[in-house]
Amino acid sequence: QVQLVEFGGGSVKPGGSLRLSCAASGFTFSDYYMSWIRQAPGKGLEWVSYISYSGSTVYYADSAKGRFTISRDNARKSLYLQMNSLRAEDTAVYFCARDRTDRYGSGFMDVWGQGTTVIVSS
Amino acid sequence: EIVLTQSPATLSLSPGERVTLSCRASQSVRNYLAWYQQKPGQAPRLLIYDTSNRATGIPARFSGSGSGTDFTLTISSLESEDFAVYYCQQRNNWLYSFGQGTKLEIK
Repeated sequence: QVQLVEFGGGSVKPGGSLRLSCAASGFTFSDYYMSWIRQAPGKGLEWVSYISYSGSTVYYADSAKGRFTISRDNARKSLYLQMNSLRAEDTAVYFCARDRTDRYGSGFMDVWGQGTTVIVSS
Repeated sequence: EIVLTQSPATLSLSPGERVTLSCRASQSVRNYLAWYQQKPGQAPRLLIYDTSNRATGIPARFSGSGSGTDFTLTISSLESEDFAVYYCQQRNNWLYSFGQGTKLEIK
C-alpha cells in the first residue's frame, strides 16, 4: 500500500542540526513532488518546503529559508530535510507528504506520513 | 502571501446535524483550495481538492464549494467519526498556506 514513514526526529539544542528522512513505498516516488509540513504543539499546520520530481526545483516557507534544505534520492525512494541553526520555535511534529502540485496552479497533499517529532530546547 | 481565515474556530454540534465550515482567502486562489481532516495524534487526511473534488475513499456526505476567495466545506449529516479539526489549504505562486483550523466538537 502507499506509505510514507518519517524518521530522524529527536531532541537538539538551539543552534544545532538535525536531518529528517522519509521513506516512500507503494508508488513511483520519482513521479511526484514531495513536501514537508510541520505542526507545533497544539497549533495548526505550517507548510515548510517542497521539491520537484527530480529535485531541480525547491521552495521554502520564509521560516525555513536559509536554514533548511530539502532533497531527495529517487533511487532510494527517500525524501530528506536538513535542518540547521535550529530554534525553539522549530519544535514540532514534521510530516512528509506526497504533493500533487501541477503546472496549472493546483497543489495539495494526498498521502501523509505519521510524523516525526523535533524538540529544540536547551 | 495569501492568508486563509477559517470560521468559526470551534463548532459544537450533535451527530446527524448538517454543518458548513468557512474558509476565506485574502486574495483569489481561483479554485485551488483543499480541505483536510485531522484527529488527535494522527496525520491530516485529504478530504477535498480543487474546491469540490472528493479524495479517494471520502464519503459522499463531505462536499466542497466556492471560488475566488470564499469557500465552504459541508458535512451533510455528522457521524461520530467526523468530530475533528478541519484545515483549508491553498497554493499560490508556488507557495502553500493553511488556515488556522476549525475544531468540530460533540455537543
